[in-house]
Amino acid sequence: AQKITQTQPGMFVQEKEAVTLDCTYDTSDPSYGLFWYKQPSSGEMIFLIYQGSYDQQNATEGRYSLNFQKARKSANLVISASQLGDSAMYFCAMRGQGGSEKLVFGKGMKLTVNP
Amino acid sequence: EAGVAQSPRYKIIEKRQSVAFWCNPISGHATLYWYQQILGQGPKLLIQFQNNGVVDDSQLPKDRFSAERLKGVDSTLKIQPAKLEDSAVYLCASSLDLALAFRETQYFGPGTRLLVL
Repeated sequence: AQKITQTQPGMFVQEKEAVTLDCTYDTSDPSYGLFWYKQPSSGEMIFLIYQGSYDQQNATEGRYSLNFQKARKSANLVISASQLGDSAMYFCAMRGQGGSEKLVFGKGMKLTVNP
Repeated sequence: EAGVAQSPRYKIIEKRQSVAFWCNPISGHATLYWYQQILGQGPKLLIQFQNNGVVDDSQLPKDRFSAERLKGVDSTLKIQPAKLEDSAVYLCASSLDLALAFRETQYFGPGTRLLVL
């Protein structure tokens, strides 16, 4: 079974600064995918970035990048140049290699960007 | 491209009443998911459909929850009778094809906020 741990309940960052959101995971599957989602107060889960366990390079999507350390089983999200609109809940999730494997989410963490 | 649509956005009911939620996935997406998100937690999968067949409903409380996707497109999730602990956000998601397995990105709708009094 997969497990996602997000230990930071909340973080504050100044606008235009970079911030790292931590995520560690546990799985026995040799192949898996890691995802980050953003959930603003409106409630919709917005897909941000994906990292495959065998991808050679760390994933990047615009201001989002994933610091993937496979040996440490960590998949931290880095947001560069924070914006006020980045204030939201952030969830790390993973899915194993089986076709019916569930997407398992962490508890999330709240990011607040201050002007 | 239109995203995942859900209705209603909000629902307040009393315990022991019934309620139904509707979801229309992204056009062409074969796989549809229903999640329950209790306040302060991440979403938990309730049921997963591939076209109109159930792939995984192991975490669906089948004594009170039911879901269907009769024509392989939109889906309905029902709770009957509702309990206080069912108060949560119910999220619907869809993905292109289960065959892509762990690489498949799920796209979520805005959710339905349910309050059971």
